[in-house]
Amino acid sequence: NAGVTQTPKFRVLKTGQSMTLLCAQDMNHEYMYWYRQDPGMGLRLIHYSVGEGTTAKGEVPDGYNVSRLKKQNFLLGLESAAPSQTSVYFCASSLPTGWNQPQHFGDGTRLSIL
Amino acid sequence: AQTVTQSQPEMSVQEAETVTLSCTYDTSESDYYLFWYKQPPSRQMILVIRQEAYKQQNATENRFSVNFQKAAKSFSLKISDSQLGDAAMYFCAYRRGGGATNKLIFGTGTLLAVQP
Repeated sequence: NAGVTQTPKFRVLKTGQSMTLLCAQDMNHEYMYWYRQDPGMGLRLIHYSVGEGTTAKGEVPDGYNVSRLKKQNFLLGLESAAPSQTSVYFCASSLPTGWNQPQHFGDGTRLSIL
Repeated sequence: AQTVTQSQPEMSVQEAETVTLSCTYDTSESDYYLFWYKQPPSRQMILVIRQEAYKQQNATENRFSVNFQKAAKSFSLKISDSQLGDAAMYFCAYRRGGGATNKLIFGTGTLLAVQP
């Protein structure tokens, strides 16, 4: 079982470059999330989606955009990368709230902005 | 807004001993869930244990158990018979019950070292 797959696992960008992180899940989950993890700060929610075609802002959305064109995929975009976006990015997915099931996480993407 | 606080940035335990990691949270909700996640050096986020706020009985999963004190808003994790493989970052997390998002709020983590 693949679960939640993040692509790529590592990436180095120059300031001002753009890129897209891909998250794919094969568990037919409705909800998907993007978090960033920084030293000493735990994981913070960037954006999330409660269904295909819907997205919403989380705690730290500035500088990021997302799209959920297909149920199984959730894309995180950086239009103009900044050094402050150097972080480890995690994608997660889950069933809707009523199912009382935990989130499943991908293995993370380490992104460095020079 | 809900917050989760882990006041121990680092902890150390001898192999086979018991260690307790602390977590406190702040919420005005009565329906919520609490979780402990383990993040080893491989970076995976692994669910260790979870607790539903409406359950008075403390959750247990093999060597892992929690001490859930709802009135004190405390949710500590006890690891018994510690093993070298338990060395990891541990995150406490909170999720509102009901609602429409299932969002998790994480603490800042506790780095656990296990000494042989």
